[in-house]
Amino acid sequence: AQSVTQLGSHVSVSEGALVLLRCNYSSSVPPYLFWYVQYPNQGLQLLLKYTTGATLVKGINGFEAEFKKSETSFHLTKPSAHMSDAAEYFCAVSDGSARQLTFGSGTQLTVLP
Amino acid sequence: DGGITQSPKYLFRKEGQNVTLSCEQNLNHDAMYWYRQDPGQGLRLIYYSQIVNDFQKGDIAEGYSVSREKKESFPLTVTSAQKNPTAFYLCASSTMGTGGYYGYTFGSGTRLTVV
Repeated sequence: AQSVTQLGSHVSVSEGALVLLRCNYSSSVPPYLFWYVQYPNQGLQLLLKYTTGATLVKGINGFEAEFKKSETSFHLTKPSAHMSDAAEYFCAVSDGSARQLTFGSGTQLTVLP
Repeated sequence: DGGITQSPKYLFRKEGQNVTLSCEQNLNHDAMYWYRQDPGQGLRLIYYSQIVNDFQKGDIAEGYSVSREKKESFPLTVTSAQKNPTAFYLCASSTMGTGGYYGYTFGSGTRLTVV
């Protein structure tokens, strides 16, 4: 069984500052890892995913994440926050074969002017 | 463009009523899912279906029912047995493609309010 822990249910950063959203996972098999973003009253949109290959994954809107097997982590980063990045972010894990994702509890990102 | 359509976007239910939320996808995905979202509680799985005419309960299935008569459709009925149905409901779909696993595609959600 898989599980996901997102550290920090609320994160605030100033506009232009580094964004770091933390995600740790537990999986008994090589994981597939995902980050989704949700804007108010909308569905979730895929930001990026790691399945195999390069451990540094680039996504949309300037976000990237690095898969670190030794740390069982998949933290999401963006060098410079923009006001439009304010949203809720969800990390998710799957073992691939199950075709079912396990989601973290989400991190609400606030960007301060 | 392919995607998932949820309707209606807003729905109001009176006490004791059953209501049905629609979810339709034209992505040719095999699996479909229903999630409930409450403030500060993340996503909770209600039901999921891997193939037509088959579905399984998720973590919070009580008070809900589903059907999967067609590959592209997975409607959710919120019954009168669901005592606290006010929430945001999300439908998703997924498939295992030739390039591997792509995760979920989500609809835009239905906000259900009890009046």
